[in-house]
Amino acid sequence: DTGVSQDPRHKITKRGQNVTFRCDPISEHNRLYWYRQTLGQGPEFLTYFQNEAQLEKSRLLSDRFSAERPKGSFSTLEIQRTEQGDSAMYLCASSLGLRRDNEQFFGPGTRLTVL
Amino acid sequence: KNEVEQSPQNLTAQEGEFITINCSYSVGISALHWLQQHPGGGIVSLFMLSSGKKKHGRLIATINIQEKHSSLHITASHPRDSAVYICAVRGGHNTDKLIFGTGTRLQVFP
Repeated sequence: DTGVSQDPRHKITKRGQNVTFRCDPISEHNRLYWYRQTLGQGPEFLTYFQNEAQLEKSRLLSDRFSAERPKGSFSTLEIQRTEQGDSAMYLCASSLGLRRDNEQFFGPGTRLTVL
Repeated sequence: KNEVEQSPQNLTAQEGEFITINCSYSVGISALHWLQQHPGGGIVSLFMLSSGKKKHGRLIATINIQEKHSSLHITASHPRDSAVYICAVRGGHNTDKLIFGTGTRLQVFP
């Protein structure tokens, strides 16, 4: 499968625990995006990378959230000291990063449930 | 007020009906996307538009930049079209992030 992949697909954790999600983009894509989607809502932007550089970060991304893309390929999103409000679908997308026609391709998401 | 508004929020149709979903936005954009999301979460990109109209099979998307409005049309709807349809805009030229509407849940009955 040459699409965007995310791991794990589902994560159940207890409040206060740390969790880490991984995203593998389409191989030639240099941009990688993280979004969060709560039930019944559209996705919300969290952050995006061009290669290993984090270009933009949402105010939604509190100090408990950190994202990395150390070698410009896969990315990780870590949530420390999880809260029940962190329960959501975490979506990753990637793109070629073209100025025009920069289509984003989405992964299947990681569904997080914080008990 | 959200920067991207969709209507209707929910839509039911009989198989074969012509369907229109609307999207209005309040920010300057460089592109608008229509996305489809099935139960389970997977998102598929249907169209990316910066002007005019695009057609793919039974799907047609239009955009009016002056009026900040886009429509997604489905002709001869089918139960397999049942999904959530999401409008998203890429704001301006200095950012690549997408701003999403809340989605339109479509159910097509046989």
